[in-house]
Amino acid sequence: QQQVKQSPQSLIVQKGGISIINCAYENTAFDYFPWYQQFPGKGPALLIAIRPDVSEKKEGRFTISFNKSAKQFSLHIMDSQPGDSATYFCAALMNSGYSTLTFGKGTMLLVSP
Amino acid sequence: SQTIHQWPATLVQPVGSPLSLECTVEGTSNPNLYWYRQAAGRGLQLLFYSVGIGQISSEVPQNLSASRPQDRQFILSSKKLLLSDSGFYLCAWSTGQGTPTNEKLFFGSGTQLSVL
Repeated sequence: QQQVKQSPQSLIVQKGGISIINCAYENTAFDYFPWYQQFPGKGPALLIAIRPDVSEKKEGRFTISFNKSAKQFSLHIMDSQPGDSATYFCAALMNSGYSTLTFGKGTMLLVSP
Repeated sequence: SQTIHQWPATLVQPVGSPLSLECTVEGTSNPNLYWYRQAAGRGLQLLFYSVGIGQISSEVPQNLSASRPQDRQFILSSKKLLLSDSGFYLCAWSTGQGTPTNEKLFFGSGTQLSVL
């Protein structure tokens, strides 16, 4: 059973545009929501993360928006650049007991020059 | 600083052959260790995780096994590979503290396994 649903599967954005990737979760016990960025042939790396006590977190051009009541969160990439072309994974974690990250299926982003 | 080493980077194996992928972590002690598999369109699938030497938890029953012979060494094995074992295998670690609860995963560079 997939607990974190991510969309779209792929995304093409022009340079300078805004890239938006959405995730929805079902388990209300999740309390930590990271985004990972993966370049081809490499392992994913943590990009940005948020906890449900805030509705937004911004780091440079990357922003997470979080809607606790809707159980949704999204990644916004402002002024998208060709170097942002990568696969992005959202994830969720229950921070209690024995818990591991639950990942979405990933979004392949291509930023065209 | 902590580093994670995973090898080989690519591997082509015939069906029915054995497999051994190795992962080591440096610069930290008692890490939680993980093996993930990434198949096209299926995201990151957690295969095994370990909170300590000899402690292995399996997430998905399959043709693979894992072992942790040393604190910072994690090995993924198979006795007989299947075509369906092809994929991109990733090792990862996080801070330990005795449970797999973690907030930040550090991934290795992965092994692309092709079973022919």
